[in-house]
Amino acid sequence: QQQVKQSPQSLIVQKGGISIINCAYENTAFDYFPWYQQFPGKGPALLIAIRPDVSEKKEGRFTISFNKSAKQFSLHIMDSQPGDSATYFCAAAGVQGGSEKLVFGKGTKLTVNP
Amino acid sequence: EPEVTQTPSHQVTQMGQEVILRCVPISNHLYFYWYRQILGQKVEFLVSFYNNEISEKSEIFDDQFSVERPDGSNFTLKIRSTKLEDSAMYFCASSGPQGSGETQYFGPGTRLLVL
Repeated sequence: QQQVKQSPQSLIVQKGGISIINCAYENTAFDYFPWYQQFPGKGPALLIAIRPDVSEKKEGRFTISFNKSAKQFSLHIMDSQPGDSATYFCAAAGVQGGSEKLVFGKGTKLTVNP
Repeated sequence: EPEVTQTPSHQVTQMGQEVILRCVPISNHLYFYWYRQILGQKVEFLVSFYNNEISEKSEIFDDQFSVERPDGSNFTLKIRSTKLEDSAMYFCASSGPQGSGETQYFGPGTRLLVL
C-alpha cells in the first residue's frame, strides 16, 4: 500500500513534443505529490508538486494533472527540449498524517532527441 | 543559492568495516533525511531527523545504521558493519523551517561501494 507505481520506465520524445509520465498510488493518506528531476551524478531536484485539493498545477512547460478518485497523477512536459533529458521520479508523502518520508516511483528515463 | 553538500562523493570499503557519510544541510533547515538508491532502482527512504532525534525510520534502517548531528552544521549517517547489499548511492536531504510538506532539497549523494 506504500508503493507508488510509475510508467513508462523509459520514454523517447522528439524536440518540441509532449512528454507524459504517469504515476498511481494506493495509500489514501498520501496528500503531497512532488515530481523530482535527476541528472546523472546529481541528486534529485524538485520540479513541481501538487496537493489533492487541486486537479492541475502548471509551472512553465511543466504540468501536473491529479485525479484523486483514480489515485493517479501525471507529469506533462510541453515543448520538450534536449535539456529536459533526465530521469524523472514521482513521489508521495502523507504529510498531514505526520509522515515526512517521500515514497518514490521507480523513475522514468526521458530522452528528448534534437 | 543554498545547497545541501555531501562528503565524500565516493567511498569504497571492505565488508564489515564502518563508514560514516557526512552531510551539511541548508543552514536554516530543521528537518533532515537520508535516502538511498541502489543502482538502477528507486530512491528509498531511510530515516528522518528533527529536533535531535529520529522522527521516522524505514525497515531498512536497522541496528547497523545510526544518525547524528554532532554539531550545528553536520548530519551524519553511520553504517557500523557494512554488507555487500549496502552498496548504493546515499542521498542526504533537508527541509524547513516549516517542515511538514515543504520541499526536500537533496544533496549530490555519496556513492558507497562495499567489496
